Amino acid sequence: DAGVIQSPRHEVTEMGQEVTLRCKPISGHDYLFWYRQTMMRGLELLIYFNNNVPIDDSGMPEDRFSAKMPNASFSTLKIQPSEPRDSAVYFCASSDRDLRTEAFFGQGTRLTVV
Amino acid sequence: AQKVTQAQTEISVVEKEDVTLDCVYETRDTTYYLFWYKQPPSGELVFLIRRNSFDEQNEISGRYSWNFQKSTSSFNFTITASQVVDSAVYFCALSEGRTGKLIFGQGTELSVKP
Repeated sequence: DAGVIQSPRHEVTEMGQEVTLRCKPISGHDYLFWYRQTMMRGLELLIYFNNNVPIDDSGMPEDRFSAKMPNASFSTLKIQPSEPRDSAVYFCASSDRDLRTEAFFGQGTRLTVV
Repeated sequence: AQKVTQAQTEISVVEKEDVTLDCVYETRDTTYYLFWYKQPPSGELVFLIRRNSFDEQNEISGRYSWNFQKSTSSFNFTITASQVVDSAVYFCALSEGRTGKLIFGQGTELSVKP
């Protein structure tokens, strides 16, 4: 298996623009997670899905952030409008049973908002 | 509230030295899971180990070993005979029993010098 695939790897955008991050989980995994990593706050869980349904979005910072999982093989994290403080590395991860098993992480998307 | 503390922000050792990375956690759950992840300079997060709260046996995998002590709420990680390739940021994480959310410590940056 190719592992969790995220795109793009790097994104530079101007403040106010819409940004869409994409994730393809490992085939057969039931859970998908979006994390954000910053120097100040470390690794934070933003939202996670089970069988394409959002279960917990309490980590989503603001209404500017939204996430969807239209099918088992694809998820998006959208920021609209983007702000400089959104600059971070965004990780997608998937797990084959539940959060008690290890999550496999993608390589991350480094987002820079200027 | 659940919390993971990695008090060592940075550690620097010379190759072949042994090094221990500390992890202390807080939780009210009786069932929980502990993890270690490695983040090399390339940025991806690599799963190292998972341990459940009912299994206090220490584990050894090659040069890596883990010491889980419920009495002190610690899950420490030791690298024996460190190598330059071990240089990375290491994260300890806790999975809540009820929701399974992963809570990460702030990470310890390990630098192994030749």
